[in-house]
Formats: sequence, C-alpha cells, structure tokens
Amino acid sequence: DAKTTQPNSMESNEEEPVHLPCNHSTISGTDYIHWYRQLPSQGPEYVIHGLTSNVNNRMASLAIAEDRKSSTLILHRATLRDAAVYYCILRGVSGNTPLVFGKGTRLSVIA
Amino acid sequence: DARVTQTPRDKVTEMGQEVTMRCQPILGHNTVFWYRQTMMQGLELLAYFRNRAPLDDSGMPKDRFSAEMPDATLATLKIQPSEPRDSAVYFCASALQYNSPLHFGNGTRLTVT
Repeated sequence: DAKTTQPNSMESNEEEPVHLPCNHSTISGTDYIHWYRQLPSQGPEYVIHGLTSNVNNRMASLAIAEDRKSSTLILHRATLRDAAVYYCILRGVSGNTPLVFGKGTRLSVIA
Repeated sequence: DARVTQTPRDKVTEMGQEVTMRCQPILGHNTVFWYRQTMMQGLELLAYFRNRAPLDDSGMPKDRFSAEMPDATLATLKIQPSEPRDSAVYFCASALQYNSPLHFGNGTRLTVT
C-alpha cells in the first residue's frame, strides 16, 4: 500500500490559515489523495479529495504538488471547531481498495 | 443531512458475553464498512460489503467476529465470545458507491470487563 507521512501534531491560532502537509512519495498514477478529519468523540468526516489538480470546496482547499509526491490541506480560517485529527489517505481508483487510515495530524486551535 | 446510525452508543459487557452492534447505512448507499479504533492501533478496517455481499473481512478475527447485512438497511457486527482486548470504538461507514466518500456513524464504544 502506498504510504503517507504527516506531522504528529500542529497548532494554529484561531482565524488564521492552516496548512497541513502530507508526503506520499510512493504514490501511483491512479491513487487519489483523500483527506478526512475526526472531531473529538465523533466518527471521521470526509473533507476533500483530488487526483492532480488543486481542489476547493466549502470546507477546505487541497493543493497537490506537480509531481504528486506531496499535498497540503488548507483551512483558510481556522476556528475552534476545526480542532481535530486530520488524515491524509491514498486510495486507488480501481479494484477493491478500501480506505486505510494512518496516524494523522492532531490540529490544536488556540483562541 | 442523512446520517449513518449506530446502536448502541455505549456497551459495557463481561468477558465471554455475546455483543451485537448495529448500523443503519444511509439510504441508497451500497457499500458498508466496519472499522475499529483503539489508542494503540488507531483506525483499523475490519470488513466491508458491497450490495450486501462481503468483499473482504480479512481484518476481523474470524473465530469470534462475524459481520452480516441481513438487508440493505441493516449491518451487524457480532463478537462471541467477547474478550477485554475487544474494548474499542467500533465505527460503521457507508458510501454511495465503492469509491465515493465515506460517511461515518458516531460509533459504538465497547468495554469488555
């Protein structure tokens, strides 16, 4: 399985942008980059995913490096509610490849 | 918003007892996943189904765990007999299609004493 590497933890001030990095140097051409987050005492929640181009949605933006060996999840304005564990996951588009979670990055947001 | 519903929310039981956890996937979703989360191991995939048929249950201890989908609105995960090492939060997730984003329930927190 292609692996991802994320920092164990990050801290951000409220109302400031947050850039969460993810390295995936062994990514294959058919792997999508998915991001999920898990708020305290809840199940994981889908955030965003992409293949090659940068992606934006109402929750976040995903910036993908040109060589696809790294990506960055961008929260444009962190709120206290964004404090969670963020998971960067590679998922193949073909075949029976389920979502495999790593350790993720624990984001703390300071008021 | 449609949600995945899991029951019970919390379960405390004694070692050796049977435990059944239930999941109601989002209506119309054809893929269902079971995950287990512990502090030590993080989120582990136990099993998943597509159109009610099991695709992979290699993550489950076969001798004591079983997962089924009696119908499209219900998925069950059973542990018999339960052991203290089974204590964890068990999450169910459903997806519209196999490669669609997963929608998770809020989990069943199982404590086996």
